[in-house]
Amino acid sequence: DAGVIQSPRHEVTEMGQEVTLRCKPISGHNSLFWYRQTMMRGLELLIYFNNNVPIDDSGMPEDRFSAKMPNASFSTLKIQPSEPRDSAVYFCASRPWGLVGEQYFGPGTRLTVT
Amino acid sequence: ELKVEQNPLFLSMQEGKNYTIYCNYSTTSDRLYWYRQDPGKSLESLFVLLSNGAVKQEGRLMASLDTKARLSTLHITAAVHDLSATYFCAVDIAYQTMNRDDKIIFGKGTRLHILP
Repeated sequence: DAGVIQSPRHEVTEMGQEVTLRCKPISGHNSLFWYRQTMMRGLELLIYFNNNVPIDDSGMPEDRFSAKMPNASFSTLKIQPSEPRDSAVYFCASRPWGLVGEQYFGPGTRLTVT
Repeated sequence: ELKVEQNPLFLSMQEGKNYTIYCNYSTTSDRLYWYRQDPGKSLESLFVLLSNGAVKQEGRLMASLDTKARLSTLHITAAVHDLSATYFCAVDIAYQTMNRDDKIIFGKGTRLHILP
């Protein structure tokens, strides 16, 4: 298995631009998680999905952030408009829902907003 | 509110020494995970602890779980420079929630620096 796939791996954009991050979970995993990691705030859970349905988005910082999971093999995290304080590494993780086992993390997307 | 507290948050130690990282949590759980993160990299699963008294070992690292004390430890034996990384514990309460929410709560991580 290829593991969790994220794209792009690096993104540099200007303030005010729209940013879309993409994630493909491990096949058969029906829980998907989006995290953000910064030096100041550490690892933060933004939102997670079970069977493509958003369950808890209380970690989404603002209305500028939105996430979708149109099918079991694809999810997006969108920031519109982006701001410099959104600069961080964004991780996607997946795991089988309801079963024993840890989350598997993707390689992350390093976002820089100038 | 579920809390997962790691200590210390920063640890600098000499090669060859032993040390322990502690992970305390505030709710009932008998499932806990340890992850490793190297600088600029993603999180990698190290240990999966699934019951009270569980002990797992891999090389110089050993993890244990005491669910009654709500405590997990990650013990480092005769540290080597290659173990320098940030270590996270994560508590799983997914199977306990009535509506089957999927909850894994991470600690803030322990940044370990091993001096040659």
